[in-house]
Amino acid sequence: SQTIHQWPATLVQPVGSPLSLECTVEGTSNPNLYWYRQAAGRGLQLLFYSVGIGQISSEVPQNLSASRPQDRQFILSSKKLLLSDSGFYLCAWRQGSLGEQYFGPGTRLTVT
Amino acid sequence: DAKTTQPPSMDCAEGRAANLPCNHSTISGNEYVYWYRQIHSQGPQYIIHGLKNNETNEMASLIITEDRKSSTLILPHATLRDTAVYYCIVRSHSSNTGKLIFGQGTTLQVKP
Repeated sequence: SQTIHQWPATLVQPVGSPLSLECTVEGTSNPNLYWYRQAAGRGLQLLFYSVGIGQISSEVPQNLSASRPQDRQFILSSKKLLLSDSGFYLCAWRQGSLGEQYFGPGTRLTVT
Repeated sequence: DAKTTQPPSMDCAEGRAANLPCNHSTISGNEYVYWYRQIHSQGPQYIIHGLKNNETNEMASLIITEDRKSSTLILPHATLRDTAVYYCIVRSHSSNTGKLIFGQGTTLQVKP
């Protein structure tokens, strides 16, 4: 069966520090991968998606970047965090062009 | 993808059916209706999806009107664990990106 992992579960970082969040998927190959963010009390916002290794599409301009160095690995990064980067970051995957997305457990980031 | 409209909140008594409405008046012929829910501090969970026929699975039933401009998610016997934000999303299967655009959803509060 397929599983999706995210780490860390929680993170507290000072403003201006770098960020690296990792997401990995097991039990599938060539999935579509997605990064979402949920600010406190807000809905989910799609940040990036990838349909293959090295292929990244950005949905909104921001202080973040994404990379997909391996088929089942998706990384969210920032060189310098802002207070507004605080939120709940969710990774998701989907197989093929049909069906549902499966979400990971999320990383709760607090920028202080 | 078509935009959806949902009531911001609803209450339901435990053991009763919860009927969550969604309007998607601009839906096009190749767009599916998807429902997800998000329990507090967790990633969204897929519930059900459909095109034009009513659908039922172990979690819920989806009723889509004949003109496809609205739908209703039915939780037949709501429990306290069904308290969550429910998202109705309309998505085309013709795109290989599989992006989900989340709105604000309906916060369902199941009360004892």
